[in-house]
Amino acid sequence: AQKITQTQPGMFVQEKEAVTLDCTYDTSDQSYGLFWYKQPSSGEMIFLIYQGSYDEQNATEGRYSLNFQKARKSANLVISASQLGDSAMYFCAMRGGGFKTIFGAGTRLFVKA
Amino acid sequence: DAGVIQSPRHEVTEMGQEVTLRCKPISGHDYLFWYRQTMMRGLELLIYFNNNVPIDDSGMPEDRFSAKMPNASFSTLKIQPSEPRDSAVYFCASKAGGRETQYFGPGTRLLVL
Repeated sequence: AQKITQTQPGMFVQEKEAVTLDCTYDTSDQSYGLFWYKQPSSGEMIFLIYQGSYDEQNATEGRYSLNFQKARKSANLVISASQLGDSAMYFCAMRGGGFKTIFGAGTRLFVKA
Repeated sequence: DAGVIQSPRHEVTEMGQEVTLRCKPISGHDYLFWYRQTMMRGLELLIYFNNNVPIDDSGMPEDRFSAKMPNASFSTLKIQPSEPRDSAVYFCASKAGGRETQYFGPGTRLLVL
């Protein structure tokens, strides 16, 4: 069975500092993909970053990077230089066999001025 | 380019009524996903289509739920009869074949009284 775990219900970070949001996963699939989405208070789901299970390099997209540790089954999101607009819910997700995708419970990030 | 379009954005109905949610995927995308988001269960995949064909409907909660995709630019999710526990935000997402990223619509907020 596939599972995504986000253990941090809420996180605080000072503006301009970096923050790491944790995500661990479990799957028996050899090929899978990991995603992070942002959900601001307005409710839309915004794609941030993707990492394939066979990708050797950690994915980066601007201020976002994904710290992929395959042996530990972790896919942590790192946000550098936090901004007030980063305050939102962040969801880790995994695509297993086919394109069935499961989401974690989410982490609410608060950026302090 | 237009993103995923969902209608209505808000729906309030009474228990027992039929509810139809609509989705127009991004042009050229051949995968379409329906998700439900609740506080208790988080984000759950209900069903997804590839080239208008349902591929995995294992997330559809019960027979009261049905989804169709009559053509590449339109899908519906129907609940009949609706119950208060169906109250949730329903998201539609689409992606292109050969790509991983799912793009979400703005969601339909459903309240069943």
